[in-house]
Amino acid sequence: DIQMTQSPSSLSASVGDRVTITCRASQSVTTFLNWYQQRPGKAPKLLISDASSLQSGVPSRFSGSGSGTDFTLAITDLQPEDFATYYCQQSYYIPRTFGQGTKVEIK
Amino acid sequence: QVQLHPWGAGLLKPSETLSVTCVVDGGPFTNYDWGWIRQPPGKGLEWIGEIEHGGHTDYNPSLESRVIISLDTSKRQFSLNLTSVTAADTAVYYCVRVTNWGSLEAFDIWGRGIVVTVSS
Repeated sequence: DIQMTQSPSSLSASVGDRVTITCRASQSVTTFLNWYQQRPGKAPKLLISDASSLQSGVPSRFSGSGSGTDFTLAITDLQPEDFATYYCQQSYYIPRTFGQGTKVEIK
Repeated sequence: QVQLHPWGAGLLKPSETLSVTCVVDGGPFTNYDWGWIRQPPGKGLEWIGEIEHGGHTDYNPSLESRVIISLDTSKRQFSLNLTSVTAADTAVYYCVRVTNWGSLEAFDIWGRGIVVTVSS
């Protein structure tokens, strides 16, 4: 299985901050990399597909980049509703695999 | 607006079979693939498998010997069966829509999640 490793596992930030989350794949997944946001008690929500394509309705303060094995999710001007857990996921290989998650908490 | 509505038994005993069905409300059904993902309490997401609109399935090798995903196009629903459950199968089970852009795919619509507990 392809291992997806996110860092950090958690971070504390303030409203208005810029945060970055990294995701590393154990093998190249080209750009077949998606990002999801999960708020407590809710189902995950697709934010970004194909490493950098923002889904319709997702605020432009979210952005994704990377290819191959190294990827980044950036959130600028952090808003109260952005405090959640974020997961990366590769769709290049079967089985599809997720990172372990990064929890963004309020400082 | 497409919505996914899962239903099924929430409490099972060890060795029983987990059966969960997801009804697709709104939007086209046959154009898409459909899948299941689970999340144990306090843990991350695990992909269980997917079914293409033509019926082809892909499963997580870790579960493949116990899992069947099926499709009922006439009822606009798809189902997950997982046999011989243990406490390790306790999780929130999510049904998802799989959207493909060429070879790329993503889980763009998620059901609300159904809690399944395995306990004697």
